[in-house]
Amino acid sequence: AQSVTQLGSHVSVSEGALVLLRCNYSSSVPPYLFWYVQYPNQGLQLLLKYTTGATLVKGINGFEAEFKKSETSFHLTKPSAHMSDAAEYFCAVSLVTGGGNKLTFGTGTQLKVEL
Amino acid sequence: GAGVSQSPSNKVTEKGKDVELRCDPISGHTALYWYRQSLGQGLEFLIYFQGNSAPDKSGLPSDRFSAERTGGSVSTLTIQRTQQEDSAVYLCASSNRGLAGGHEQYFGPGTRLTVT
Repeated sequence: AQSVTQLGSHVSVSEGALVLLRCNYSSSVPPYLFWYVQYPNQGLQLLLKYTTGATLVKGINGFEAEFKKSETSFHLTKPSAHMSDAAEYFCAVSLVTGGGNKLTFGTGTQLKVEL
Repeated sequence: GAGVSQSPSNKVTEKGKDVELRCDPISGHTALYWYRQSLGQGLEFLIYFQGNSAPDKSGLPSDRFSAERTGGSVSTLTIQRTQQEDSAVYLCASSNRGLAGGHEQYFGPGTRLTVT
């Protein structure tokens, strides 16, 4: 079975500051990892995903994440926060083989961006 | 192109009533998923359809929950004898492949269900 832990249910940063949202996973087999963003009253939008290959993954809106197998982590970063980044962010894992690609989500991190 | 659509966007029902939630996936997507998002439980997988295969129902919380996918396209999630703990946002997603991991799931806007 796989699981995801997101440290910090709420993160607040100043506009222009670094954004760091933490995600650690547990999986008995190699995982696929995802970050989704959810704006108020909307569905989930994929920011980026790690499947195979390069461990540093770049996504939309300037976000990136690095898969670190030794640390079982997939933290999300953005060098400079923008007011429009305020949203809830979810880390998710699915299995490489089997499992039908169903996602197991973390509990989410609400990002607040302040002037 | 058109994304995943869900209807209704909001549903208020009385405890004990049955409800049906609808999902229209992206055309051509063979895999369809239902998830539930609630304050107490976060985002949970409910059920998964892949082509003509038997659905994976392992996430359904009780036998009051069921789902169908007709003609490999539209899906309906039915909750019978609703309870207050069923109040949540029900999200549908589709993917053009589902047999192995790593394929992007496209989410609909969700149906907010409130059981009074």
